[in-house]
Amino acid sequence: DAGVTQSPTHLIKTRGQQVTLRCSPKSGHDTVSWYQQALGQGPQFIFQYYEEEERQRGNFPDRFSGHQFPNYSSELNVNALLLGDSALYLCASSLGAAGAQSEAFFGQGTRLTVV
Amino acid sequence: GDSVTQMEGPVTLSEEAFLTINCTYTATGYPSLFWYVQYPGEGLQLLLKATKADDKGSNKGFEATYRKETTSFHLEKGSVQVSDSAVYFCALIVWGGYNKLIFGAGTRLAVHP
Repeated sequence: DAGVTQSPTHLIKTRGQQVTLRCSPKSGHDTVSWYQQALGQGPQFIFQYYEEEERQRGNFPDRFSGHQFPNYSSELNVNALLLGDSALYLCASSLGAAGAQSEAFFGQGTRLTVV
Repeated sequence: GDSVTQMEGPVTLSEEAFLTINCTYTATGYPSLFWYVQYPGEGLQLLLKATKADDKGSNKGFEATYRKETTSFHLEKGSVQVSDSAVYFCALIVWGGYNKLIFGAGTRLAVHP
């Protein structure tokens, strides 16, 4: 079992550019959640995808968007990058029926640096 | 709203010392509580969890007890090792919604030989 895999591991972008981060969930999981972890901070919930739809969203602007594919993998897109978007982006997968008590498994993260 | 507060770090200890990292929470429902660990350059790993009041989670010598009366979930270890150096995050989920994790700010632990 490969667990949760994220790509790329690191990338550097320029202010104003757009970026796409990718996540493959743990085998058997159908729900993907994305978190932003700024340096020295705890992870903050961005949004969650289940059945190819955004099911819940945290306090992030519309520049942050996502997608889930039929194979449950997911993408996080960030438009018009700001310096403050520099962070570790973490993907977590779980089983997602509403109310289900399913442990979340995290990937290694993508370190995004905006210059 | 729901939130988690952790003691500020860094916590610096000598090998074999006793560790306590304090965590308190605020939640509208009946949360499950977690401790995650993040080693340098890595993602988050679940260390232990407790799903109801008075439950004790334990793993790798670490323990934490879910105290509803004090809304706390303090992490303890009797004898730390250099390999325990990492950042520790306390977190909660209130089941019944869409199960998003709410994290504390993290506490960095440095253990010296």
